[in-house]
Amino acid sequence: EAGVTQFPSHSVIEKGQTVTLRCDPISGHDNLYWYRRVMGKEIKFLLHFVKESKQDESGMPNNRFLAERTGGTYSTLKVQPAELEDSGVYFCASSRGQLSSGNTIYFGEGSWLTVV
Amino acid sequence: GDSVTQMEGPVTLSEEAFLTINCTYTATGYPSLFWYVQYPGEGLQLLLKATKADDKGSNKGFEATYRKETTSFHLEKGSVQVSDSAVYFCALFLYNFNKFYFGSGTKLNVKP
Repeated sequence: EAGVTQFPSHSVIEKGQTVTLRCDPISGHDNLYWYRRVMGKEIKFLLHFVKESKQDESGMPNNRFLAERTGGTYSTLKVQPAELEDSGVYFCASSRGQLSSGNTIYFGEGSWLTVV
Repeated sequence: GDSVTQMEGPVTLSEEAFLTINCTYTATGYPSLFWYVQYPGEGLQLLLKATKADDKGSNKGFEATYRKETTSFHLEKGSVQVSDSAVYFCALFLYNFNKFYFGSGTKLNVKP
């Protein structure tokens, strides 16, 4: 069974450009999460999808970030326009059911974003 | 607020040395505690966990005990190997918020 896959693995863009990160969760996992680690700091929660609906987007830093999960399968995270402080690693994760019910969360390898 | 504090790295050890990575937490509820590891070029992997006070999580020779009185979950290993070189993240999970809170990570370098 394939794990959580993320694309691209590395991206270098200029300030002001747009980047779109993609995440394919494990097949059958309704729950999809985005986390990020910027500047070597702690990994922080961004948002949580249940199927195609955003259950919790309290961690989204500002309106330059847009996450979608059309059809409830893969998800995209768009940063537009990118700023220098957006540089970091963006992790996607998925779980079959709610974590609060004891389901296991599986993380992808992360997408490394560098804004120059 | 809810948070995790872990010792800054990098930590450099010789093979077979004893490892301790400190982790303390602040939580409004009763969290479950985790250690995740990220090996070079790989994703975050669950290393071990503990769900209630005094529980000990263990895996691959690593151990951590949930200490409610000191709000700590220190990671230990008696004899590290070169293959243990990675970044280690302490984390807590709060059921009422349904999300993880991670520390900033500690990079471990083990030299032969």
